[in-house]
Amino acid sequence: RKEVEQDPGPFNVPEGATVAFNCTYSNSASQSFFWYRQDCRKEPKLLMSVYSSGNEDGRFTAQLNRASQYISLLIRDSKLSDSATYLCVVHMEYGNKLVFGAGTILRVKS
Amino acid sequence: DGGITQSPKYLFRKEGQNVTLSCEQNLNHDAMYWYRQDPGQGLRLIYYSQIVNDFQKGDIAEGYSVSREKKESFPLTVTSAQKNPTAFYLCASSIVLADSTDTQYFGPGTRLTVL
Repeated sequence: RKEVEQDPGPFNVPEGATVAFNCTYSNSASQSFFWYRQDCRKEPKLLMSVYSSGNEDGRFTAQLNRASQYISLLIRDSKLSDSATYLCVVHMEYGNKLVFGAGTILRVKS
Repeated sequence: DGGITQSPKYLFRKEGQNVTLSCEQNLNHDAMYWYRQDPGQGLRLIYYSQIVNDFQKGDIAEGYSVSREKKESFPLTVTSAQKNPTAFYLCASSIVLADSTDTQYFGPGTRLTVL
């Protein structure tokens, strides 16, 4: 089983739609979680950290479910500019390293 | 402007050649990392360094070498021993070594192609 798993997509949605991605992780001891955004042929950039209580940043909401070992990202009112690959990232206490999922592709269409 | 720079953006290598990818940061970060990204896969850690003159192997270090002679610089050499080097190489840095709350900042990447 991969340490971090994501649905690769692509998710094709119209502008204005709400879309959600899930990511599962294997190590129950993991403490920190992040969503990064990566545009085509560019470097990943931090979108948001995921806190135990959940957090919201504008149209983006991240949630953590420790019991089921998954995190989610919800995007409301999708914009064309939201089209990108969204990487789920988990901090592994063992080895003190970040583990990246393969990413979920989002395509927002007009 | 503060940030991480990588050069070259594109690199072509003949089989059997060693090539060196540059990574420089002016963020005054202690920790630096090299990742490799292949299509359909997550980033995989090649090497990391938490302090000058010290570095550690990551998950896929075979066929690669690094040095950390200066805080700002962390070059990666892809040797001829790396059997499948064609990939997108990303350098990153953070204030400290993969602290659970610390953000890693990425350079723009180098796309290496073996001819």
